[in-house]
Amino acid sequence: EDKVVQSPLSLVVHEGDTVTLNCSYEVTNFRSLLWYKQEKKAPTFLFMLTSSGIEKKSGRLSSILDKKELFSILNITATQTGDSAVYLCAARNTNAGKSTFGDGTTLTVKP
Amino acid sequence: DADVTQTPRNRITKTGKRIMLECSQTKGHDRMYWYRQDPGLGLRLIYYSFDVKDINKGEISDGYSVSRQAQAKFSLSLESAIPNQTALYFCATSDGTATEKLFFGSGTQLSVL
Repeated sequence: EDKVVQSPLSLVVHEGDTVTLNCSYEVTNFRSLLWYKQEKKAPTFLFMLTSSGIEKKSGRLSSILDKKELFSILNITATQTGDSAVYLCAARNTNAGKSTFGDGTTLTVKP
Repeated sequence: DADVTQTPRNRITKTGKRIMLECSQTKGHDRMYWYRQDPGLGLRLIYYSFDVKDINKGEISDGYSVSRQAQAKFSLSLESAIPNQTALYFCATSDGTATEKLFFGSGTQLSVL
């Protein structure tokens, strides 16, 4: 059974801090790892990672994948209150084409 | 206008009632999914469909059924609702390309009393 574990489950920081969110996975025939941000309702796509060691970057957010150790991290630098959200990672396999989600990390950024 | 539209946005029903949640999309995607989210948990896959004639069970399909009426429409039914089906339900689509990112509707908050 495919499995995705995120840590920590929740995190409280102050504006300006840097945070690292973790995602480990066990997926048969792994294809890609995706990160989503869920603020109020619908998750929205952040990154997709398929290759080890290649950093994806968007503004203050960046992510990297380690396919040997089966994990990914999401970094957010200079956090802002608008970064407060649940961050979900999902691992996709090649066979079924469906994504298995972790339970998410709830990030709270205080002013 | 939203690309993935779910109706209703909120629904309260009683145990034993049959209920249908509807999803329509204007993205032209072949692949559609139903997920459920419980507080503090991630998304769990209920059913998915890769085209109109293709329906597949996800990890938690018991107590649910689906219908893919057209490429753009995918509905989820609870045949006889029970309280532990109280959750936030999401419909999602994807284009089946290498990216395989999901586009989500705004969700339906369902409460079964």
